[in-house]
This record gives sequence, C-alpha cells and structure tokens, in this order.
Amino acid sequence: EADIYQTPRYLVIGTGKKITLECSQTMGHDKMYWYQQDPGMELHLIHYSYGVNSTEKGDLSSESTVSRIRTEHFPLTLESARPSHTSQYLCASSEQVLRETQYFGPGTRLLVL
Amino acid sequence: DQQVKQNSPSLSVQEGRISILNCDYTNSMFDYFLWYKKYPAEGPTFLISISSIKDKNEDGRFTVFLNKSAKHLSLHIVPSQPGDSAVYFCAASARDSGYSTLTFGKGTMLLVSP
Repeated sequence: EADIYQTPRYLVIGTGKKITLECSQTMGHDKMYWYQQDPGMELHLIHYSYGVNSTEKGDLSSESTVSRIRTEHFPLTLESARPSHTSQYLCASSEQVLRETQYFGPGTRLLVL
Repeated sequence: DQQVKQNSPSLSVQEGRISILNCDYTNSMFDYFLWYKKYPAEGPTFLISISSIKDKNEDGRFTVFLNKSAKHLSLHIVPSQPGDSAVYFCAASARDSGYSTLTFGKGTMLLVSP
C-alpha cells in the first residue's frame, strides 16, 4: 500500500484567501491525482499528472491549479477561496502500469466561510 | 450522465450475514473495476479489483463478481463484521483512456450491526 500524506487535514478559511493543499507520496509513483468529493456524492477528478512537469485537467472543472516539480509532491492551490470551494479534497497516486490501482491519502476537509 | 451507478445509498446487515453491494455501469469501454472502502474523514482504501477477462475475484472475506453482459458487478462480504461499516465506492477504468483515470459511483453506506 502506498504511503501518501496530505496536509492540512482540516482547514477553515475566509473568502478571498489563497490556500495550498499539500500532497506527498513516498512510493516513487509517477502518477498522481486530485479528487473533490462532497458527502453522498462520487469522487470527481479535478487534476492529474503522469510525472514531473506533467499536469492535466480532470473531468470536473475546477478553479484550482496544480504543479508537479518533484515526483513525490503534487500541491493544489486555490488563488482566492470561495464558499463554493468547500469540500473534501483527496490526493491519490499510482504506478505507471496497465490497470493501475490508485492509493489515496487521508484527505483535506476545506471549509470556506 | 453517471457512467457508474450505485443505486442503493445505504444497506443494513447483521453481523455474520452476507453483505451484497451492487454497481452498474453504462460505458462498454470500462473493463477494469475496483472497490474502495471509505471511513468518514479518511481517504478511500483499496479493497479488491477485477478485470473483464474474469467473472470472479476473491480475497479473503471479499468477493467481486462481474457480469459483463448486464454491465453489473457486485461485492460480497462474508461474514460481515461491524468494522466493515463504511461507505463502499465502485470505480471503473477504460482501455480507451489507457486506464489512466477512474470513474466513481456515489457510494453505498454499509452498516453492520452486532
């Protein structure tokens, strides 16, 4: 199982603030993902990366941005948080193999007031 | 348009009995399926997977069955334990996307009572 970490676990912040959600994995996985999930709903892919300097937008349009400067690190940034950004954000990683299994971090619960 | 559907939002089962969680899909290009378990305030944990070349995969108390003609899969947990109480997500990936992304259902909350 992958060791994948997210910080902070919980964040309450005011509208208009800039925030960065951190995600790191120690398994050397090339592929990393960010999902957004609201209670009772499916996980929606918002960003993914095949490796260093690779970033792609997912199925769900998001105002967030990501970067992949190091293999192990895939931070997500919101330049100006809004109440509509309130959600749980889940980071995952997987090996670059066929029929991969994605392994998830513990998530960040974001509340924007 | 939901491509992966879990039509039962919740399921209650007594300890020791079988839990059966169902999942339907609409995209015929899906041919690899996974089940994840999620506790509140935690990330999903991988449970078991199956590719379309099989119709059954078993791992301990967990068995996944795939019916390709019906575009249906199910997760069986036998015997169910109170610690199994969680939300279970079905996910699928497609060969035409290089299996690069997963599409998730909305989840089924399983409650196993002692």
